[in-house]
Amino acid sequence: GAGVSQSPSNKVTEKGKDVELRCDPISGHTALYWYRQSLGQGLEFLIYFQGNSAPDKSGLPSDRFSAERTGGSVSTLTIQRTQQEDSAVYLCASSPSTDTQYFGPGTRLTVL
Amino acid sequence: AQSVTQLDSQVPVFEEAPVELRCNYSSSVSVYLFWYVQYPNQGLQLLLKYLSGSTLVESINGFEAEFNKSQTSFHLRKPSVHISDTAEYFCAVSGGFKTIFGAGTRLFVKA
Repeated sequence: GAGVSQSPSNKVTEKGKDVELRCDPISGHTALYWYRQSLGQGLEFLIYFQGNSAPDKSGLPSDRFSAERTGGSVSTLTIQRTQQEDSAVYLCASSPSTDTQYFGPGTRLTVL
Repeated sequence: AQSVTQLDSQVPVFEEAPVELRCNYSSSVSVYLFWYVQYPNQGLQLLLKYLSGSTLVESINGFEAEFNKSQTSFHLRKPSVHISDTAEYFCAVSGGFKTIFGAGTRLFVKA
């Protein structure tokens, strides 16, 4: 079956521009996570969606970051007024519960 | 609140030697424990997990981990590593909702 997909795979943008990153989770998975992985760093939790509950936004590093999940499926992570320190790989994962997470291939964001 | 500590950021080891990657966690509730692996230029994938039952869990490629509740640990071990085990390994804990990941341990297997 289809896994988690993310688009674009690579994104190069100029400082100050807005970017949108997309995640298509596995069908039927109620939980969806966004993480950031900087070079040589671990996984930094950003935001968590679970069903129809209010999302856990405790990991968002600033108010420039926001995310939506429409219809309990596709999610979009938006970064406004990008900065060079936003450069990283952004990973999405989905899960049927609190069990195993299934990760997408990631979007590599480069802010020039 | 939950937290996960991976005590070693890098572990270099020779091929066919044993290895242990350490993971300690803290949580006020019962937890599920996971090890994920990220091979070079690939995405993260589940290696093994503990949900309940036997405290010793195994993966299909020879890794094992033991849940030790008294020591709040979930160390990953392999008796004889291969070059292809070179990867970054992440320990994770789930205490009901959000899953927390450790900072990762980079295992580098040398010939």
